[in-house]
Amino acid sequence: DTGVSQDPRHKITKRGQNVTFRCDPISEHNRLYWYRQTLGQGPEFLTYFQNEAQLEKSRLLSDRFSAERPKGSFSTLEIQRTEQGDSAMYLCASSLWVGSAGSGNTIYFGEGSWLTVV
Amino acid sequence: SQQGEEDPQALSIQEGENATMNCSYKTSINNLQWYRQNSGRGLVHLILIRSNEREKHSGRLRVTLDTSKKSSSLLITASRAADTASYFCATDLNTGFQKLVFGTGTRLLVSP
Repeated sequence: DTGVSQDPRHKITKRGQNVTFRCDPISEHNRLYWYRQTLGQGPEFLTYFQNEAQLEKSRLLSDRFSAERPKGSFSTLEIQRTEQGDSAMYLCASSLWVGSAGSGNTIYFGEGSWLTVV
Repeated sequence: SQQGEEDPQALSIQEGENATMNCSYKTSINNLQWYRQNSGRGLVHLILIRSNEREKHSGRLRVTLDTSKKSSSLLITASRAADTASYFCATDLNTGFQKLVFGTGTRLLVSP
């Protein structure tokens, strides 16, 4: 049973460069989430997908951020023109949503991708 | 903005002792989930408790939920050094798409 996989685990980049993170969710999970976590804080929601559709985006997700989930499988999160304030851990999570209103399902997280912008 | 607030922010105990962490939140929820995070690592899911449940157990973990007080607690019994980590509560808001909102966490240190 493979969990949520994220790649790369660590990325150091110069300010102004573009970076891309990849997430492979647990197979057959139809929901995929991206969160961001800075030191000493809890994770903050960025965006989520139901299959290939991006259904919600946080206002934290500026125009420099774009996420995709082609074919409803893996997802990528790209940050363009990185800034030092983007330094954080980017967490991917997935869950299986079966459509039962109000039930809620366990959301499983990956190990995260650390981004350091210098 | 953060919905949940964990208390205490930090907790230091000896192996074998029990550790209790509390979480308060502000708005109605579908469920509340507790996670553990070792330093620099991802989040490990511990327990999900639904809004119509009051208590759940999993091994040495016991979670309670009081929706009238908008609070939850996580009890770890007979703690071990390996329990040293940060613990987060995450509320699944009643928004229809299961968005988790995390608190700032409790840092637990268990000394041998």
